[in-house]
Amino acid sequence: EAGVTQFPSHSVIEKGQTVTLRCDPISGHDNLYWYRRVMGKEIKFLLHFVKESKQDESGMPNNRFLAERTGGTYSTLKVQPAELEDSGVYFCASSGDTYYGYTFGSGTRLTVV
Amino acid sequence: AQSVTQLGSHVSVSEGALVLLRCNYSSSVPPYLFWYVQYPNQGLQLLLKYTSAATLVKGINGFEAEFKKSETSFHLTKPSAHMSDAAEYFCAVSDRGSNYKLTFGKGTLLTVNP
Repeated sequence: EAGVTQFPSHSVIEKGQTVTLRCDPISGHDNLYWYRRVMGKEIKFLLHFVKESKQDESGMPNNRFLAERTGGTYSTLKVQPAELEDSGVYFCASSGDTYYGYTFGSGTRLTVV
Repeated sequence: AQSVTQLGSHVSVSEGALVLLRCNYSSSVPPYLFWYVQYPNQGLQLLLKYTSAATLVKGINGFEAEFKKSETSFHLTKPSAHMSDAAEYFCAVSDRGSNYKLTFGKGTLLTVNP
């Protein structure tokens, strides 16, 4: 089966610009998660979708971040406007009904300059 | 809130030597515990997980980890390191019933020397 796909793999934007990250989970996986790793820090949870509904968004840093999941399929994470501290690697993961562990994507490395 | 401590941000071993990566967690109730590995330019891959069955968990690529409740530890070991084991390793926990939200440690970069 195809894995979790994230794009772009890298993005360099200027402070104040908008960036949209996309995640395509494994087909049929209802659970979709976003995580972020800021340089030198641990990987941190951002939010969790079950199908198209936000189950838990307690990790979203602030209202500059907006996540959506269209029709319970792919998800986007928009940062608007981007700040320097938003730089890091954004990971997406998905899992099915039975929890065998997430499948992670390769991540999007975001650099805000 | 849960916390995970990985002792040593960088561990260096010789090829063929024992690999020991340490992980301690903070929960008073045994959580689910995981080890993930990230090879360069790849995503996180699940190595193994503990979900309250056997305390000694075997994973892929010859790795295993032992859950020790009394020590709140879940250290990762491999008897003999291979060059291909060079990667960053992450310990993570999730509270039961938390929709499997993971709390990660800071990661340990493993270097294997020839």
